Amino acid sequence: AIQLTQSPSSLSASVGDRVTFTCRASQDILNALAWYQQKPGKAPKLLIYDASSLQSGVPLRFSGSGSGTDFTLTISSLQPEDFATYYCQQFNGYPITFGQGTRLEIK
Amino acid sequence: EVQLVESGGDFVQPGGSLRLSCAASGFNVNTNYMTWVRQAPGKGLEWVSFIYIGGGTYYADSVKGRFTISTHNSKNTLYLQMNSLRPEDTAVYYCARQVERRGYYYYGLDVWGQGTTVIVSS
Repeated sequence: AIQLTQSPSSLSASVGDRVTFTCRASQDILNALAWYQQKPGKAPKLLIYDASSLQSGVPLRFSGSGSGTDFTLTISSLQPEDFATYYCQQFNGYPITFGQGTRLEIK
Repeated sequence: EVQLVESGGDFVQPGGSLRLSCAASGFNVNTNYMTWVRQAPGKGLEWVSFIYIGGGTYYADSVKGRFTISTHNSKNTLYLQMNSLRPEDTAVYYCARQVERRGYYYYGLDVWGQGTTVIVSS
């Protein structure tokens, strides 16, 4: 199975900060990667699909990049509603897998 | 409105069975790629199963041989039949739809249900 390793596991930041999350795949997954935001007690919300395509309705401060094994999700200027847990997911092979998540906390 | 609503979660003893349902509105589950994802208490997301157009299916190793994913055409509903349940199957179960744009499918799940809770315990 393809493993996804997210780093850091947790991150403290302030409103207005620029933050970057990393997701590394154990083998080449081309661009078959998505990013999600999840808040407690809620379903995940799609932010980025195909590694870099912004989902409709998601603010422009979110962006995704990368291909192959290394991917990043960037929030250009943190807003209060962005504090949540972020997951990456790969679709290149079965079983489909998720990263373990990065928890973004308020500093 | 495009929406998914899960139901069927319950408290069940180890070895028991449950069938989860995921009712879709605003689109047809039989012409989309559909997925079940679960989340154990306090843990991350775990992909469970996938069904694509034509009925092909895939399963996580942890559920293979015990769970069955299916759709019902006229009810526009996705199902997950869960047999031989184990305590480690305790989780919130979500159904989700893969991103589709004008007949092309993309790598992401854009519509999610609210989740249904399964607790397996004696």
